[in-house]
Formats: sequence, structure tokens, C-alpha cells
Amino acid sequence: EDKVVQSPLSLVVHEGDTVTLNCSYEVTNFRSLLWYKQEKKAPTFLFMLTSSGIEKKSGRLSSILDKKELFSILNITATQTGDSAIYLCAVPYNQGGKLIFGQGTELSVKP
Amino acid sequence: EPEVTQTPSHQVTQMGQEVILRCVPISNHLYFYWYRQILGQKVEFLVSFYNNEISEKSEIFDDQFSVERPDGSNFTLKIRSTKLEDSAMYFCASTWESNQPQHFGDGTRLSIL
Repeated sequence: EDKVVQSPLSLVVHEGDTVTLNCSYEVTNFRSLLWYKQEKKAPTFLFMLTSSGIEKKSGRLSSILDKKELFSILNITATQTGDSAIYLCAVPYNQGGKLIFGQGTELSVKP
Repeated sequence: EPEVTQTPSHQVTQMGQEVILRCVPISNHLYFYWYRQILGQKVEFLVSFYNNEISEKSEIFDDQFSVERPDGSNFTLKIRSTKLEDSAMYFCASTWESNQPQHFGDGTRLSIL
């Protein structure tokens, strides 16, 4: 069965800490992996990863994919309270783009 | 930046009633999706729509569900006879190419009483 598993499910850190969120997957015909940030409402797109070992970076956020070990990590350095959110990992299942989501990691950054 | 917009933001309906959830995808996008998220659970795929027809649907998307793109801008999800277990957040998403990131609306929270 195709699946996406995220860990940890929740995480509480203090401002300034660095966090690593994990996403493992088992999806046939893998093409890409996406990270989204979900605050109160819409999941907002962060990264799309297609190639192993190539880091994608946006400010304090970065992500990398390992297609051999079937996982991805999302790193956030120097966390801020505004980083508090649920981080979702998703993998497109087929040519039509249907996304399979992980359970999400709920990150809480305390001042 | 263009956005996917969904209305209403919250819908409360009696069990057995019909509901229509509305979405306006980003204007040049060609692929449209509905997902739902029951409180505390994963986001689940419901249906994908391309070229004016359903391209894939999940087991959840039974005969009580239908989708339509009536006028080239709106994309609607209809639930004919709602059940308590249909209570969830429903997200619409769109993309211009199926292998590109999907952009999500803010969702409609559907509460069935």
C-alpha cells in the first residue's frame, strides 16, 4: 500500500532552536515529494523535491531528498514563533497528480 | 499572487440535506482537485478533474458526491445527502500541470448536525 509517514507527530521548541522534520514514503512510480506549511487554513507550498541529494533552500528553511532510503527532511534553523504550524509532506501518486499526505508534524515554537 | 478561493468558509447543514461547496481555481490552471481533512486525521484525496471530466476518484467519492465546472471559472463539489461522517474541512486545489505543485484554497469547514 502506498503511504507517507511523518515524524515526529508533534514538536515543541524554543525560539532560536533548529528543528528537523522527517518524511518517509513508499509510493510506486515516485516522481516528486512536496512540503507544505499549514497554519490556520490553506496548506501553502514550500518545496518540491525531485532529485536525490540536492538541497532546496528558502531563507531559514531547507529540504533534501534521499531516493535510495526513501525519505526527506525539512530543516528550520533559528526558529521563530511564526514557524508554528503543521508541516505536511505529500507525494503525487500517479500522472494525474493525486497527492498522498502524511499525518503532518505539528510544530510549536515558544518565545 | 493568484489564489484559490473557496466559499463558504463554514457551512452548517442538517443530515440528509444537500450541500454545494464552491471553489474558484487559479485562472490559468487546468487540473483541479478536492481533498478533505477530518479533524485530527490526514488530508485525503477525493477527486481530480481535468478537461471537463473526472480523471480519478477515491473510494470516499461515492454516488453521493459529484463535481462540476459549470462556467469555466467555478469548480463545485456537491454532496447530495449529507451524513454525520461528512463533517470535515474540504480543500480545493489546482495546478497548471499535474506534475507541478498544487495550490490550495483556505477550505470550507462542513459541519453536519
